[in-house]
Amino acid sequence: DTEVTQTPKHLVMGMTNKKSLKCEQHMGHRAMYWYKQKAKKPPELMFVYSYEKLSINESVPSRFSPECPNSSLLNLHLHALQPEDSALYLCASSQADGASYNEQFFGPGTRLTVL
Amino acid sequence: AQKVTQAQTEISVVEKEDVTLDCVYETRDTTYYLFWYKQPPSGELVFLIRRNSFDEQNEISGRYSWNFQKSTSSFNFTITASQVVDSAVYFCLARNDYKLSFGAGTTVTVRA
Repeated sequence: DTEVTQTPKHLVMGMTNKKSLKCEQHMGHRAMYWYKQKAKKPPELMFVYSYEKLSINESVPSRFSPECPNSSLLNLHLHALQPEDSALYLCASSQADGASYNEQFFGPGTRLTVL
Repeated sequence: AQKVTQAQTEISVVEKEDVTLDCVYETRDTTYYLFWYKQPPSGELVFLIRRNSFDEQNEISGRYSWNFQKSTSSFNFTITASQVVDSAVYFCLARNDYKLSFGAGTTVTVRA
């Protein structure tokens, strides 16, 4: 299984809502990533988990809260988002972080719209 | 700091033409890794190739080929005999430890 799955595919939420994005991989990868991608822009790294511990937080606002319940799952909890947070949110995994040569496998993304 | 420049914003070709995508990187690190990813309209980034800073060997894989030259800090990518399915955004990525930099991407449109 060489797939990273993300749910939901699309999400529309109001600024007062609380929602979660989910990501799952069964490749035995120990590093997982969240990216945000605006239209016609490259992905921007948000968080990196390595061996289920948060290793990188790229100064992301606290309204985004990541969680890694186990080595296969990665969640992104959303609360009090702003319309400018509307974007494609991509999850990725790699064999291990700290090993920069490992390629990342990406999921199809969740397209988030904040009203 | 690292910086990756993909000067070509969009490239449009007719099927069967060759397409070369440019990537120029800036880094002070001696060890780094370069990648090319493809992002089709479906949104999922697909890994194409990786090179480390010590390996300047060029590579051909099917219709894809890569030219890595440290002297010019370039890691260019060529699609030979392009097909409509090659239409996508192509990103060059430079990485070392926890520093990760994507280029702005090049949109390739292959017309039938």
